[in-house]
Amino acid sequence: EIVLTQSPDTLSLSPGERATLSCRASQSVSSSSLAWYQQKPGQAPRLLIYGASSRATGIPDRFSGSGSGTDFILTITRLEPEDFAVYYCQQYGNSPPWGFGQGTKVEVK
Amino acid sequence: EVQLVESGGGLVQPGGSLRLSCAASGFTVSNNYMNWVRQAPGKGLEWVSVIYSAGTTYYADSVKGRFTISRDNSKNTVYLEMNSLRAEDTALYYCARDHIVTAFDIWGQGTMVTVSS
Repeated sequence: EIVLTQSPDTLSLSPGERATLSCRASQSVSSSSLAWYQQKPGQAPRLLIYGASSRATGIPDRFSGSGSGTDFILTITRLEPEDFAVYYCQQYGNSPPWGFGQGTKVEVK
Repeated sequence: EVQLVESGGGLVQPGGSLRLSCAASGFTVSNNYMNWVRQAPGKGLEWVSVIYSAGTTYYADSVKGRFTISRDNSKNTVYLEMNSLRAEDTALYYCARDHIVTAFDIWGQGTMVTVSS
């Protein structure tokens, strides 16, 4: 089973700043099988990025994903007030079980 | 509108059973991979189970042998039968569509399961 480790656990930033979130896999992950989700309090997760770098429908272009192999990055170029939330990476695809990272909380500094 | 609506959660004693339902609208569950994902209070996301369009099922090790995923195509609904429940199964249970290439693109609002005496 692939284990995903996200860093940092918490990111304290101000609106307008750039956020860089990391997701490291315990073994190589196909780039077509890495996703990022956003979750706000009291809400279900929302798909942001799939296939490591493709934005889901309706996701603003300030969100971007990159990476390959064992290291993946979610970048939010300019934080908007509604972007403060918890972000999870996930490995999905052909062979369950599928894992999630432990999450990175982006909070207001 | 494409949506998922979970139901069936509640308070159950350790060792008890519960069946969760996930009703889909706007798409056909039998043409998709359908998953259950849970989130313990204040914790992260944990994948629980999937049923493929062909009917093949998989489970997380933590629930294998105790939980069963199934679907009723006539009702366009996915189920999670949970037996031998433990305190550590306490969580908000989400149903999610796995559109294969595009990951888990549709999520329900969740149904809460509390295992306590």
